Amino acid sequence: AQTVTQSQPEMSVQEAETVTLSCTYDTSESDYYLFWYKQPPSRQMILVIRQEAYKQQNATENRFSVNFQKAAKSFSLKISDSQLGDAAMYFCAYRDGGQGGSEKLVFGKGTKLTVNP
Amino acid sequence: ETGVTQTPRHLVMGMTNKKSLKCEQHLGHNAMYWYKQSAKKPLELMFVYNFKEQTENNSVPSRFSPECPNSSHLFLHLHTLQPEDSALYLCASSQDGGFDYGYTFGSGTRLTVV
Repeated sequence: AQTVTQSQPEMSVQEAETVTLSCTYDTSESDYYLFWYKQPPSRQMILVIRQEAYKQQNATENRFSVNFQKAAKSFSLKISDSQLGDAAMYFCAYRDGGQGGSEKLVFGKGTKLTVNP
Repeated sequence: ETGVTQTPRHLVMGMTNKKSLKCEQHLGHNAMYWYKQSAKKPLELMFVYNFKEQTENNSVPSRFSPECPNSSHLFLHLHTLQPEDSALYLCASSQDGGFDYGYTFGSGTRLTVV
């Protein structure tokens, strides 16, 4: 079964600085998707960024970028120019891809990010 | 109204009560999910519905009973719950079979069992 591990229960960053959140996963599949979700105090999980495993290029969304290392099964999230509104729980998630793949999203335990003014 | 809407936002119930959680999506998605989110634990998938048919039951106790009358609505009926069932219950939807954008989540129902 696929598993997702986030080894940092909590992280903190100064406003305007850069922070990297770690995620590793375990799978025997070659076709899959990886996601980072943000959960602010409002509780709604919001998709931050996604990566298809077959793409070598790292995904980027404005201040958010990933470092996808397929061989190492690593998928870290980098937040540049951190803002107070970035404070939230961040969840890494995995989903099988391809025809007949499971619809399930498998989540890590999350990393609580604090942004200090 | 757009997105995924969950009601109620908060629920306190006794162990002998019967209550229902409601989830509604206006995105035209064909799959809906219930997740349980407890402190210090990963999100736990409970049920998956695809085109109104239940495709997965992740060994959930029978005191949780899902219902999906159509592709836009999903319910979670609760009865004789235990205190350890207190958690945030999240509903999500997705469009399967197409380009994968992951799930769209609701804001959850915070359930407290007393």
